[in-house]
Amino acid sequence: QVHLQESGPGLVKPSGTLSLTCTVSGGSINNFYWSWIRQPPGRGLEWIGYIYYRRDTYYNPSLKSRVTISADTSENQLSLKLNSVTAADTAVYYCARSTETRSDLFHDWGQGTLVTVSS
Amino acid sequence: DIVMTQSPDSLAVSLGERATITCKSSQSVLYSSNNLNFLAWYQQKPGQPPKLLIYWASTRESGVPDRFSGSGSGTDFTLTISRLQAEDVAVYYCQQYYDTPYTFGQGTKLEIK
Repeated sequence: QVHLQESGPGLVKPSGTLSLTCTVSGGSINNFYWSWIRQPPGRGLEWIGYIYYRRDTYYNPSLKSRVTISADTSENQLSLKLNSVTAADTAVYYCARSTETRSDLFHDWGQGTLVTVSS
Repeated sequence: DIVMTQSPDSLAVSLGERATITCKSSQSVLYSSNNLNFLAWYQQKPGQPPKLLIYWASTRESGVPDRFSGSGSGTDFTLTISRLQAEDVAVYYCQQYYDTPYTFGQGTKLEIK
């Protein structure tokens, strides 16, 4: 049973960079599609983007200029970086696993981590 | 982007009764070559991440009770909970995966009447 755990600073200053890590246990990050998804407090879900096999990435065009998703196979971790953040980036950030062949359905999720953008 | 619109925004149903949530996409999510609808439903209980319930509009994820069913095609879809149980209190989201960026509906909050 795969387990995903997000971690990172809970508070980021405006114009700064949001950096999160998703640590995966119970399975390798190789060969699967992994996504980041966020949810502003009390609101709906927004897909941020995915990574596959450490190098193939795709980002939501609405965030593409500010986001980077990467993977560290030696640590079995994924990371998310979002720069030039504003209050609109305040959200719970989730990492999620899809399948080995598809990026589009999210079968396994972490518990999420709340990031607040505030001075 | 494909816009997903759910209705109602909130719903209160008595225990044991049927709950119906609808989802409409701004363009068809039916892929004609394989006749599959690229539409999924998720359940999110308070303080928890979403859980995948249904994909291909009507296929239940493994372990999902059969009181949950999905239907529809093209642009109009329905999630039905046939006999509401207390544990079904949650927010339900539809998601299209026909095209990137993948997009979700705004959610429907289901409560017990």
